[in-house]
Amino acid sequence: SQQGEEDPQALSIQEGENATMNCSYKTSINNLQWYRQNSGRGLVHLILIRSNEREKHSGRLRVTLDTSKKSSSLLITASRAADTASYFCATDARSGYSTLTFGKGTMLLVSP
Amino acid sequence: DTAVSQTPKYLVTQMGNDKSIKCEQNLGHDTMYWYKQDSKKFLKIMFSYNNKELIINETVPNRFSPKSPDKAHLNLHINSLELGDSAVYFCASSHGRDRSLEQYFGPGTRLTVT
Repeated sequence: SQQGEEDPQALSIQEGENATMNCSYKTSINNLQWYRQNSGRGLVHLILIRSNEREKHSGRLRVTLDTSKKSSSLLITASRAADTASYFCATDARSGYSTLTFGKGTMLLVSP
Repeated sequence: DTAVSQTPKYLVTQMGNDKSIKCEQNLGHDTMYWYKQDSKKFLKIMFSYNNKELIINETVPNRFSPKSPDKAHLNLHINSLELGDSAVYFCASSHGRDRSLEQYFGPGTRLTVT
């Protein structure tokens, strides 16, 4: 079954506001990655957080990981219209197939 | 310069036809992947090749056959196309077999089967 599940499915905010997306997964992982997909484009890697890390920052992005709850969150601060995209979490399971498993994504709309 | 490229970008064809999608990466990566993204944006791995060797083959119908002539190319051939094959197909690559590394995606090929 699918490893990652993002929440919410869709999020609409105004420019300047913060956007928080959550990802839950089911099995133990080695790491969790977040990707962005602009409409009609391929996925772009944003950030990777390892299972022994709790928080990671990259520019306006902040990712947290709670392995006890099997969940992660992606926070985009001071959002811009250009942040409008779908955001996916991808997990690298500790056992089983050696592949990333993607969630269904959160569609973020940032209005000017 | 395009890192991972796919051709064609759009492909419209009739049921029963055979078609191919090509993928090339100029990143010097050892591992390449094919993903299928359905209309609900669910992205699912289909195949993975490392140095021209098949390492992942998910439960994909055998009408789908990947071919890797060299480690920079991974093509996808689909026989006897069905309506359910309509989707966006993404090629991706990463350095080495370590799945922990980030993957670089191509722009996708939107396949429509009528």
